[in-house]
Amino acid sequence: GESVGLHLPTLSVQEGDNSIINCAYSNSASDYFIWYKQESGKGPQFIIDIRSNMDKRQGQRVTVLLNKTVKHLSLQIAATQPGDSAVYFCASTEPNAGGTSYGKLTFGQGTILTVHP
Amino acid sequence: NAGVTQTPKFRILKIGQSMTLQCAQDMNHNYMYWYRQDPGMGLKLIYYSVGAGITDKGEVPNGYNVSRSTTEDFPLRLELAAPSQTSVYFCASSYSSPAAPFFGPGTRLTVL
Repeated sequence: GESVGLHLPTLSVQEGDNSIINCAYSNSASDYFIWYKQESGKGPQFIIDIRSNMDKRQGQRVTVLLNKTVKHLSLQIAATQPGDSAVYFCASTEPNAGGTSYGKLTFGQGTILTVHP
Repeated sequence: NAGVTQTPKFRILKIGQSMTLQCAQDMNHNYMYWYRQDPGMGLKLIYYSVGAGITDKGEVPNGYNVSRSTTEDFPLRLELAAPSQTSVYFCASSYSSPAAPFFGPGTRLTVL
């Protein structure tokens, strides 16, 4: 089965620094990857996604990098702000025999990002 | 749009009791999901549905049941609650696949 894990459970940065959160996945058939942000007491909030036919995708202050060779995913947050403090999860899907994944996400454990003013 | 709504927000059950966690979405999404999140952990898929009348098991379905009689609603039923079902339950939905599901605010359930 698929497993998705994170290298670092906690990350502390100063406001204005860039943050990098890493994620490893085990299933080479994974074809879609998502980063979620989860604040205390709330549901996961979509940040950015990437498909397996890409190796980089940029959003507003965030960049996701995908290295399929080593099955590694990273989230880069530029100019990190105190409001970015949260738990960040990577998640992935793999297609079933019929070619669709139905959004059946496999989540990593999460990285706690703390941004100090 | 309200998005994905879940009720109740909190619930305490005694061992052996049953309850239904409600989930509704007003985005006309075909796909709906139930996840559970244990403390300090990621989310695990319990059940999912690809449309009204169609449901299937996820990673951790034991002890739960679902139904999908309408596009909007996807209730999760717990029969004979056990302490191992103490968790936060999230409902989510997406329009297509693959697509990042949109999550509700969660229901915090404690079984004593």
